[in-house]
Amino acid sequence: DTGVSQDPRHKITKRGQNVTFRCDPISEHNRLYWYRQTLGQGPEFLTYFQNEAQLEKSRLLSDRFSAERPKGSFSTLEIQRTEQGDSAMYLCASSFSGLAAYNEQFFGPGTRLTVL
Amino acid sequence: GQQLNQSPQSMFIQEGEDVSMNCTSSSIFNTWLWYKQDPGEGPVLLIALYKAGELTSNGRLTAQFGITRKDSFLNISASIPSDVGIYFCAGQLNYGGSQGNLIFGKGTKLSVKP
Repeated sequence: DTGVSQDPRHKITKRGQNVTFRCDPISEHNRLYWYRQTLGQGPEFLTYFQNEAQLEKSRLLSDRFSAERPKGSFSTLEIQRTEQGDSAMYLCASSFSGLAAYNEQFFGPGTRLTVL
Repeated sequence: GQQLNQSPQSMFIQEGEDVSMNCTSSSIFNTWLWYKQDPGEGPVLLIALYKAGELTSNGRLTAQFGITRKDSFLNISASIPSDVGIYFCAGQLNYGGSQGNLIFGKGTKLSVKP
């Protein structure tokens, strides 16, 4: 399977705990995005990387959230001191940014987080 | 966060019917994308549009990039049961040589008529 993969698919945690999610993009893609999706809404942008550089962060990304892409391949998203409002589907997407202006983003299956 | 206006919110289809949905924005976008999402899964890219006025097809799906760059529509012809799901439009700004994030609508939920 050469698509975007995410792990775990589901995570249940207690309020106050830290959680970490992993995303493996399509192998030749240099851009990686994180989105959050709550019930009945479309995905909302959190942050993105070009190679290992984090180039943009949304104001939705509070200080409790941190994302890394240390070698420009897989990425991790960590949420510290989770709150019930963090319950959502966390989606990862990747794309290839080359000479053309096109930037089709392909999504992984998501990680469903439930904070009790 | 900022979102696009997508309509209708939901619709019921009977097999064989044509379906139409649209998306509008107060902002201009350089790219419009249409995705389909099944329950518990990530969005799957259906069609990408890059030029104002562009009309693009993918099988039974046809999408257009509005001339004003503030809207797009998606048509599904001769619907089949597996078309059921949530369809999202997404707009993207490409600026200064870098590529921006996607802004999504709230989705159009397609269900089968009872």
